[in-house]
Amino acid sequence: RKEVEQDPGPFNVPEGATVAFNCTYSNSASQSFFWYRQDCRKEPKLLMSVYSSGNEDGRFTAQLNRASQYISLLIRDSKLSDSATYLCVVNEESSYKLIFGSGTRLLVRP
Amino acid sequence: EPEVTQTPSHQVTQMGQEVILRCVPISNHLYFYWYRQILGQKVEFLVSFYNNEISEKSEIFDDQFSVERPDGSNFTLKIRSTKLEDSAMYFCASSEGLAGGHEQFFGPGTRLTVL
Repeated sequence: RKEVEQDPGPFNVPEGATVAFNCTYSNSASQSFFWYRQDCRKEPKLLMSVYSSGNEDGRFTAQLNRASQYISLLIRDSKLSDSATYLCVVNEESSYKLIFGSGTRLLVRP
Repeated sequence: EPEVTQTPSHQVTQMGQEVILRCVPISNHLYFYWYRQILGQKVEFLVSFYNNEISEKSEIFDDQFSVERPDGSNFTLKIRSTKLEDSAMYFCASSEGLAGGHEQFFGPGTRLTVL
């Protein structure tokens, strides 16, 4: 079983649409959770951390379900500039490393 | 805004040659990392470095790899004898503290091509 699993997509949506990505992780000892964004041939950049209570940052909402080991990202009112690959990332307790999913590709069309 | 920098942006080398990839982490950060991403695949952790020693490494980080902080600003990854399968994008990252509570900032990467 993969450590962090994501639907690869691509999700092809019109501008203004709402789109949701899901992610599951295998290690119940995972402690910290993140969504990163990666543009083509660029470095990953932190989009937002994911907290147990859920959190929102403008058009982006992240949710965590520890019981189901499931993380989600909701993007409202999609913009063309949201087109990118969204990486689900997990950190395990007492570990230095980030564990990346393979990413979900989003294409926002005019 | 402070950023992680990496040089070179692209390195082409012959199989069996040694390469050194260079990184300048953000100046007040204490934790340093190398990750790699083979084309079309996920980002994979290689090694973390803290207080002048390796704090954690993955199975990928075998005896062919080494890291060093030769001075107060640079952080390097050396691959002693490159293989074709070492071709990848190598990202350096740094953070103020441990991964859980502190964002890891990534550099723009070095694309390594082994011929």
